[in-house]
Amino acid sequence: GQQVMQIPQYQHVQEGEDFTTYCNSSTTLSNIQWYKQRPGGHPVFLIQLVKSGEVKKQKRLTFQFGEAKKNSSLHITATQTTDVGTYFCAGLSNTGRRALTFGSGTRLQVQP
Amino acid sequence: DTEVTQTPKHLVMGMTNKKSLKCEQHMGHRAMYWYKQKAKKPPELMFVYSYEKLSINESVPSRFSPECPNSSLLNLHLHALQPEDSALYLCASSQEANEQFFGPGTRLTVL
Repeated sequence: GQQVMQIPQYQHVQEGEDFTTYCNSSTTLSNIQWYKQRPGGHPVFLIQLVKSGEVKKQKRLTFQFGEAKKNSSLHITATQTTDVGTYFCAGLSNTGRRALTFGSGTRLQVQP
Repeated sequence: DTEVTQTPKHLVMGMTNKKSLKCEQHMGHRAMYWYKQKAKKPPELMFVYSYEKLSINESVPSRFSPECPNSSLLNLHLHALQPEDSALYLCASSQEANEQFFGPGTRLTVL
């Protein structure tokens, strides 16, 4: 079955440093979505990427979808303590199965 | 209203109990989902309902029984659970395969 892996599992940064998490799927994706889950909270949608090679920005967050539609990345510039949480990518297979497969997640800790 | 609500927030039950988790959304979404999430793990899909019909069952044990009474409501009936079923149970909804809106979850403890 489809597998979605993320690295790193955990990252601890100083406030102001940049952060990147990478997501790799074992199969080609129809789209990829990113979610953030704060400690004790629930996943909250950040963005969806659909096109090969797509790049989207949201303030300090930059999302990329690979040319082969099998990998993606999320980059945060100048982290803030409000960025703390676990970031999940979630891929939608292009086989027609209408369900997301969540990546393993990257937990971000930001030291003030 | 862009909110998914879940009740109860917390639930403690014994292995012989029967209980139900409830989920509601009023965004007109026709896809609704149950996920199970263990600590420090990603959400794990259990069931998908599409237009009130069960479309995906991820080989979930029969002690979990989903129900979709109408397009706004989703229930998860629990019976004879095991301690390893203790987890956060998340409900979500979406329009087609677009962004999913998650509820706050029910934190379940099975004694």
